[in-house]
Amino acid sequence: DTAVSQTPKYLVTQMGNDKSIKCEQNLGHDTMYWYKQDSKKFLKIMFSYNNKELIINETVPNRFSPKSPDKAHLNLHINSLELGDSAVYFCASSQDTSGGRGEQYFGPGTRLTVT
Amino acid sequence: AQSVTQLGSHVSVSEGALVLLRCNYSSSVPPYLFWYVQYPNQGLQLLLKYTSAATLVKGINGFEAEFKKSETSFHLTKPSAHMSDAAEYFCAVSPTSYGKLTFGQGTILTVHP
Repeated sequence: DTAVSQTPKYLVTQMGNDKSIKCEQNLGHDTMYWYKQDSKKFLKIMFSYNNKELIINETVPNRFSPKSPDKAHLNLHINSLELGDSAVYFCASSQDTSGGRGEQYFGPGTRLTVT
Repeated sequence: AQSVTQLGSHVSVSEGALVLLRCNYSSSVPPYLFWYVQYPNQGLQLLLKYTSAATLVKGINGFEAEFKKSETSFHLTKPSAHMSDAAEYFCAVSPTSYGKLTFGQGTILTVHP
């Protein structure tokens, strides 16, 4: 039983295209995140949603738009893809309760290659 | 604001030797600290976390870390390395027990037979 799943695992596309990455968690968590891991393995948060509301929005081009249809899903849509968008994108989730365990559970990642 | 510095992008040890991965943090509030491990082509897995309880934290796979406020450090150790420990390790800090994680740049651990 996969806790945090992402589709697709690999995505190869051309510059200028629009693509989406889907994320689903079956842990009953309230909060979901998107992280970007660049070619040097540096991990940086992009967005966070809590109960379908955007709570963290880092300095990310507005070509990136997260969408949360319900608290178990957080999708990432990217418009007009650029070479620099090539990276591994990780989805994560956590239980957003004060004093709670709080640790984030990560999905397996989506490797996006823009050619 | 929080930041994390991991000293040494690559650490190489022999099987059975002590593993020491260094992490120093900067935080404007009492931090929550985490170590994650990433095996090749996989997502991140939580090894252990510090959330202001005991300063010596034990995690999975025999790893532990000690929170030292005076040194602003949260180094990860394991007494005896196994081949299966070869992976990349990330230290992370958060202002709360949940929420935004700020990661260090990662340390690749290589274990030689």
